[in-house]
Amino acid sequence: GAVVSQHPSRVICKSGTSVKIECRSLDFQATTMFWYRQFPKQSLMLMATSNEGSKATYEQGVEKDKFLINHASLTLSTLTVTSAHPEDSSFYICSAILPGAWANEQFFGPGTRLTVL
Amino acid sequence: DAKTTQPPSMDCAEGRAANLPCNHSTISGNEYVYWYRQIHSQGPQYIIHGLKNNETNEMASLIITEDRKSSTLILPHATLRDTAVYYCIVRGQPRGSRLTFGEGTQLTVNP
Repeated sequence: GAVVSQHPSRVICKSGTSVKIECRSLDFQATTMFWYRQFPKQSLMLMATSNEGSKATYEQGVEKDKFLINHASLTLSTLTVTSAHPEDSSFYICSAILPGAWANEQFFGPGTRLTVL
Repeated sequence: DAKTTQPPSMDCAEGRAANLPCNHSTISGNEYVYWYRQIHSQGPQYIIHGLKNNETNEMASLIITEDRKSSTLILPHATLRDTAVYYCIVRGQPRGSRLTFGEGTQLTVNP
């Protein structure tokens, strides 16, 4: 089946630093990937849609200059949290669209736990 | 996409069937019902989807009422590993469009 990986699985950083999270589709090419954020005991909230070779589309309320998304290849999308602050601490999850499939076309990564001190 | 309503939590005994309800009374004719689940601190996992007919796969069965205003996900023989948050999502075309997650149902399978 289609596999999506994320790296790192967890990261702890100091306030003010930038953190990069990678999302890879391991056995398929994904023209579209999604980035979600999940706070404790809450549901997933879509942050942005990442399309290969073009600018990401951000959801309302998500700062594009703070959450930089790059989808430079068909198997890799990156999310960079710039100047991270404690309120950015969250569980970040990506998903990738499997071309040619309709039913379970979105495959999710295992998530990245970000803790900003 | 239509809004869905699910109970916040449910309990089930191991080995028994778990029946998770979902209300989607504003669903439109071209919208599908999807079910995903999320085990603690992991990414969501696709379970099943349907339009109007009942569906079954190796994981679960999906029963959609004739008026399509509600559905039930059935795990026929729940195990402890089925403990997770289950999300019912209604989504239409186009293919590949975004998923909007609600609050879901926390299913706890007890030994």
